[in-house]
Amino acid sequence: DQQVKQNSPSLSVQEGRISILNCDYTNSMFDYFLWYKKYPAEGPTFLISISSIKDKNEDGRFTVFLNKSAKHLSLHIVPSQPGDSAVYFCAASATDDYGQNFVFGPGTRLSVLP
Amino acid sequence: DAGVTQSPTHLIKTRGQQVTLRCSPKSGHDTVSWYQQALGQGPQFIFQYYEEEERQRGNFPDRFSGHQFPNYSSELNVNALLLGDSALYLCASSLEGRRGETQYFGPGTRLLVL
Repeated sequence: DQQVKQNSPSLSVQEGRISILNCDYTNSMFDYFLWYKKYPAEGPTFLISISSIKDKNEDGRFTVFLNKSAKHLSLHIVPSQPGDSAVYFCAASATDDYGQNFVFGPGTRLSVLP
Repeated sequence: DAGVTQSPTHLIKTRGQQVTLRCSPKSGHDTVSWYQQALGQGPQFIFQYYEEEERQRGNFPDRFSGHQFPNYSSELNVNALLLGDSALYLCASSLEGRRGETQYFGPGTRLLVL
């Protein structure tokens, strides 16, 4: 049973436009969420995080929104750039572990077209 | 400063064999986690090592075991390999007590079981 879902396997966006990647979770104990980006032949790299006490976190072109009642989060990239083309993973963890056991979604492949 | 390094990069084994994968954490990091990423899926947590002890474990059988050395490097051992063990194995290092964004991933070891 997947606790973290990313229902869009792929997404194509024009350069300069907004990219919106979605993530849903089922475990109400999750209280910390991250987005990772992965290029081919590289490990995932941390992008942005959000704690359940917030509903928005912004870092440059990247903003993550959290809707706890809907158990849904989204990553907005504005403006999208060709270098953003990668696989994006949503991950979640619960406070009652050591905070470093993350449950990952299956990923969304973003293609930003020039 | 070298990041997380893993060896080997690729490995081919046959069913029933045993394999050892190695990981050197990022300088200054004392915690190592191992993940399995099957094709088309997100990374799945195998276990985490801290102070040379397995501290947390995901839903993986006992065929998967590990070790952490005094210099914080780590090994992942898989016995009695199955075809389904074919995957990318990712090592991530972090600093104890810090969540999420300080978890750095290596490029992974791609294991193919024939």
